[in-house]
Amino acid sequence: GAGVSQSPSNKVTEKGKDVELRCDPISGHTALYWYRQSLGQGLEFLIYFQGNSAPDKSGLPSDRFSAERTGGSVSTLTIQRTQQEDSAVYLCASSLWWSSGNSGELFFGEGSRLTVL
Amino acid sequence: TQLLEQSPQFLSIQEGENLTVYCNSSSVFSSLQWYRQEPGEGPVLLVTVVTGGEVKKLKRLTFQFGDARKDSSLHITAAQPGDTGLYLCAVSSISGNTPLVFGKGTRLSVIA
Repeated sequence: GAGVSQSPSNKVTEKGKDVELRCDPISGHTALYWYRQSLGQGLEFLIYFQGNSAPDKSGLPSDRFSAERTGGSVSTLTIQRTQQEDSAVYLCASSLWWSSGNSGELFFGEGSRLTVL
Repeated sequence: TQLLEQSPQFLSIQEGENLTVYCNSSSVFSSLQWYRQEPGEGPVLLVTVVTGGEVKKLKRLTFQFGDARKDSSLHITAAQPGDTGLYLCAVSSISGNTPLVFGKGTRLSVIA
């Protein structure tokens, strides 16, 4: 497709279960970003990738969160032992490039809404 | 400490009115972007400003970057229901160590 694709669009899980969220960026975009948006809030930065490398993982809320990107394309955000406070919309974005101090336009997917019961 | 402060948090106005929303910080930025997010969708870029004092217009929307590159404003003339959404400002820091950082946004509702 032409845009950023995220799956699943909706996920309801029970506390303590693991979840995987997938992001398929725009073809050719080298940079990929994960943000989290709680109800009525702005975007909280989680992690970004330059190619397959994640230079800064400090935005991940806890060690239950991990992310990987393979082949410079698809990325997966994994949340282990989910908690109710993990409930949010997880947004993925990609851009052609990102360099120190400057960012191109970010193209966002529609997000994955996670509800932890 | 929040890097970016957006105000007001919420704004509800009648169709045809003018409005201004603000994005402020004590830090200097190399560039600033404005995004609009509609319910159930991801944010979409409206504009990027990079030069202190820069003014950009996008139809009825006017964006200004402060002279010192610490703040920005978005002015909408004759608001329409289609302008309803969450307006987010985002910055890249001068140090360039992190990607875009977003403010909490201004939630605008334009009533017909």
